[in-house]
Amino acid sequence: GAVVSQHPSWVICKSGTSVKIECRSLDFQATTMFWYRQFPKQSLMLMATSNEGSKATYEQGVEKDKFLINHASLTLSTLTVTSAHPEDSSFYICSAKLSSGPTDTQYFGPGTRLTVL
Amino acid sequence: AQSVAQPEDQVNVAEGNPLTVKCTYSVSGNPYLFWYVQYPNRGLQFLLKYITGDNLVKGSYGFEAEFNKSQTSFHLKKPSALVSDSALYFCAVRGGTSYDKVIFGPGTSLSVIP
Repeated sequence: GAVVSQHPSWVICKSGTSVKIECRSLDFQATTMFWYRQFPKQSLMLMATSNEGSKATYEQGVEKDKFLINHASLTLSTLTVTSAHPEDSSFYICSAKLSSGPTDTQYFGPGTRLTVL
Repeated sequence: AQSVAQPEDQVNVAEGNPLTVKCTYSVSGNPYLFWYVQYPNRGLQFLLKYITGDNLVKGSYGFEAEFNKSQTSFHLKKPSALVSDSALYFCAVRGGTSYDKVIFGPGTSLSVIP
């Protein structure tokens, strides 16, 4: 149980284009989903917290107009990188949890490798 | 402010020997502590967590961790390392004033040498 998928697993795009990444909880309903960014050999940096049916909460320094997050259902959240640039190239990981409680475990997707040319 | 430290960037251990990956934390209030493992180009896999109760927590793949409140530590251990345990390990903590944010440590790369 508690499987989270991401699609695509990797994507290459041209500078200036937009890329959408999907995050799905396959066998549970996730009230909260999180989007992280990870640079090589570094830890995860939380970008935003997404609650179903409401606007995402972005971390300081993360541009909400550039990284659009939509959490339309209890099993799906999407991250759209708009007008992508080479510096947006990174490994993007989503996670989901069952409830908003502090003790609930976050389950992570396999990640999406974005390369912007 | 919450913080997590993993003092070792790299840990090398021989196969069959016990392994320890260290983690210390700083939070206000009761901590909720987690360990995750990440294999190359993959997401994080949950290993174990401490919420309350017994200080020794047992998790997946034979891993365990001991919560030590006085030392504010949550070290990950395994009695006998396998080559397949080689990966990146992240300690994480949640607590304090913001219950919905998990703070991750910088990660420790574990290499198990055959």
